[in-house]
Amino acid sequence: QAVVTQEPSLTVSPGGTVTLTCGSSTGPVTSSHYPHWFQQKPGQAPRTLFYDANYKQSWTPARFSGYLLGGKAALTLSGAQPEDEAEYYCLVSYSGIWVFGGGTKLTVL
Amino acid sequence: EVHLVETGGELIQPGGSLRLSCAASGLTVGGNNMVWVRQAPGKGLEWVSIIWTDNNIYYAESVRGRFTISRDDSKNTLYLQMNSLRVEDTAVYYCANFYGSGRYWGHGTLVTVSS
Repeated sequence: QAVVTQEPSLTVSPGGTVTLTCGSSTGPVTSSHYPHWFQQKPGQAPRTLFYDANYKQSWTPARFSGYLLGGKAALTLSGAQPEDEAEYYCLVSYSGIWVFGGGTKLTVL
Repeated sequence: EVHLVETGGELIQPGGSLRLSCAASGLTVGGNNMVWVRQAPGKGLEWVSIIWTDNNIYYAESVRGRFTISRDDSKNTLYLQMNSLRVEDTAVYYCANFYGSGRYWGHGTLVTVSS
């Protein structure tokens, strides 16, 4: 089974910029993998931020952007806020089978 | 407004069976690709299964042959039949829709497999 890799943890200063990435053991992540990004805060259900790499949900703050770059899916947060501290997961499709990354714990400090 | 409400989670012994339900409002389960995702205590998210609008179905290797996803369009409800449950199936089970511009999640239901 394919393995999806994310940074285990990242720290960003309030107002700062950080990029989370999502890679695949099978090769470059492309639009055909329909990458998704989810945010999960402690004790809460996940919520979708992006699907198909860069399609934003209506509730996704404008400071988040999703895209493909250098063979990976990426999520950039520009102007981090304290409420952005959370776990972030990417999800990738492999011809019908979906695989989550291990998640990135983002600390705003 | 879209709501997905999971029910059916409980404490069950290894080897037992359980059926989870996901009642939808504000969207039609038949018109969406619907998924089940689980999260073991203190762990990350694990994709479990998907049923597409065209009725194609896929399962994670960890549950294939033991779990069955289905839907009842008349009740607008998604199901997950879980058989031969193992201790490692202990998790919060979420349903979500993976279709269209709004991708929603339920709040989850806890399944505990323990003797």
